Amino acid sequence: GQQVMQIPQYQHVQEGEDFTTYCNSSTTLSNIQWYKQRPGGHPVFLIQLVKSGEVKKQKRLTFQFGEAKKNSSLHITATQTTDVGTYFCALYQGGKLIFGQGTELSVKP
Amino acid sequence: DTAVSQTPKYLVTQMGNDKSIKCEQNLGHDTMYWYKQDSKKFLKIMFSYNNKELIINETVPNRFSPKSPDKAHLNLHINSLELGDSAVYFCASSPPSADTQYFGPGTRLTVL
Repeated sequence: GQQVMQIPQYQHVQEGEDFTTYCNSSTTLSNIQWYKQRPGGHPVFLIQLVKSGEVKKQKRLTFQFGEAKKNSSLHITATQTTDVGTYFCALYQGGKLIFGQGTELSVKP
Repeated sequence: DTAVSQTPKYLVTQMGNDKSIKCEQNLGHDTMYWYKQDSKKFLKIMFSYNNKELIINETVPNRFSPKSPDKAHLNLHINSLELGDSAVYFCASSPPSADTQYFGPGTRLTVL
């Protein structure tokens, strides 16, 4: 089945620095969703992208879907300690979510 | 007014035991899921139910048996627990014609 690969696995940043996580596929994606999981918490839906080249913003978070629909990225500007957690991309296909491996973000105050 | 709830939050048990995890959603959603998150935080679908009917069974061992008494509840029973079953199990639900999933708080299962 289709898979989504996510990098990096871990990212440690100083508060105020930017952060980006990438999601890649060898085949065209019909959609991509992003979830955030705080430490000890559960995944929480952030956004869904479906259109080629789509860019969506939520405050300091910018989500992009590649022109070829084979990759996506989540960029956080000026990280804060509240951004700590694991960010997952996920493909919705066949009635289920296929998750990437996640990027664990830690922010040093 | 919790949307998706699970009980228990923590479960510690011995190898070979049988245990159940319960899930309830008050969102009025038709579809519910079980996901397993391993120690490396990888999330994988196990089952999905739509209006009490099994839709997805993702090659999960027969020791795992989901049951949906009504569309608001999806329980997971595990027989003969093994060490490798230790993980966090998340229940989730989604509305009709929508891809967004709402996750419960998770049940951390530890098999000793």
